[in-house]
Amino acid sequence: SQQGEEDPQALSIQEGENATMNCSYKTSINNLQWYRQNSGRGLVHLILIRSNEREKHSGRLRVTLDTSKKSSSLLITASRAADTASYFCATERGSNYKLTFGKGTLLTVNP
Amino acid sequence: DVKVTQSSRYLVKRTGEKVFLECVQDMDHENMFWYRQDPGLGLRLIYFSYDVKMKEKGDIPEGYSVSREKKERFSLILESASTNQTSMYLCASRKTGRDTIYFGEGSWLTVV
Repeated sequence: SQQGEEDPQALSIQEGENATMNCSYKTSINNLQWYRQNSGRGLVHLILIRSNEREKHSGRLRVTLDTSKKSSSLLITASRAADTASYFCATERGSNYKLTFGKGTLLTVNP
Repeated sequence: DVKVTQSSRYLVKRTGEKVFLECVQDMDHENMFWYRQDPGLGLRLIYFSYDVKMKEKGDIPEGYSVSREKKERFSLILESASTNQTSMYLCASRKTGRDTIYFGEGSWLTVV
């Protein structure tokens, strides 16, 4: 069962612009994580936000979490062509170490 | 750096064949996972293992089995491959008590 749903499915921007991706989920969570996947490769962890946190930063990444709306957003500032990839949110519930992934947002950053 | 290695990057198998996908991690992680990834469906969990010889079904276990005889190795088995199992398969591992899950590079399986 899909827990996270990313929005939009695809996003195309120019280099230097900011990119915002959203994730909605259905049930209570322990944490929410964002991953990046370059075409045809494995996923790489970007950032994690816990259920008791509202905002977190890491370099050009900013993540927010609104547990009342069951939603999160990932902001990439000053995007670069190298940021072109698919971005997935993943939620963790309970203590079994499983992550449930959304379907992803394909970000294209045009030079 | 954590390394999760999937032994086969690209495979082509015939319908009905038995297929083994191997995954090895080198960081003594207790938890290992197999996902499949399909366009428009994202990643779906097939099976996971939280210890040697332990396994639990994920969301889509039908048609698959797994083996975890050693801590570092987690194998995904397709007993009789079918064309609807054509997909990208991703192995991942995670240390108990830690948040990050580490992925392998993926195995592209085509069943003809």
